[in-house]
Amino acid sequence: ELKVEQNPLFLSMQEGKNYTIYCNYSTTSDRLYWYRQDPGKSLESLFVLLSNGAVKQEGRLMASLDTKARLSTLHITAAVHDLSATYFCAVNNYGQNFVFGPGTRLSVLP
Amino acid sequence: GAGVSQSPRYKVAKRGQDVALRCDPISGHVSLFWYQQALGQGPEFLTYFQNEAQLDKSGLPSDRFFAERPEGSVSTLKIQRTQQEDSAVYLCASSFHWLQGWDYGYTFGSGTRLTVV
Repeated sequence: ELKVEQNPLFLSMQEGKNYTIYCNYSTTSDRLYWYRQDPGKSLESLFVLLSNGAVKQEGRLMASLDTKARLSTLHITAAVHDLSATYFCAVNNYGQNFVFGPGTRLSVLP
Repeated sequence: GAGVSQSPRYKVAKRGQDVALRCDPISGHVSLFWYQQALGQGPEFLTYFQNEAQLDKSGLPSDRFFAERPEGSVSTLKIQRTQQEDSAVYLCASSFHWLQGWDYGYTFGSGTRLTVV
């Protein structure tokens, strides 16, 4: 059974600081997604990582995938308040079945 | 429409009541998913449609849950004899084609928050 873990689950950081969110998964998968969710809102697709060593960047966020270690990271550079949200990773289980992690709730403080 | 639309936005049901939750995917989107998101948790897969065909319903937690998409567009998630543990946000997601979602991620609706009292 595929299990997806994230850490930390809660992250409070100051503006301008860097930090990394980790996503571990338990069985082999060929792709991993990162989503953002603002309170009371829908999930917004951030990145799709399709292969080992894949790295994608958008603004202050950079995601990477190591399929051998079954690990993805979401790195935040020089955080700003607008990045405050909950971040989920999701891993393909089989077919169109995806398993989401529990989410990392990020608060960026002034 | 411009996005995935779900209704109602909020639903309060008495225990034992039947409810129906509606999802209007983006026009032309073939793939449609339902997810259940409990408070403070990640979404959990319920079921997947490709057009009108329900290809995977392995995530439906019990036979009280039923989903349909008879004309391949609007989908309804029905929960019979609601229980308190059914309280959650029910999210719908879609993509133009399974491959588009596969490669770019899926478009989610804002969800229906169901509270069973």
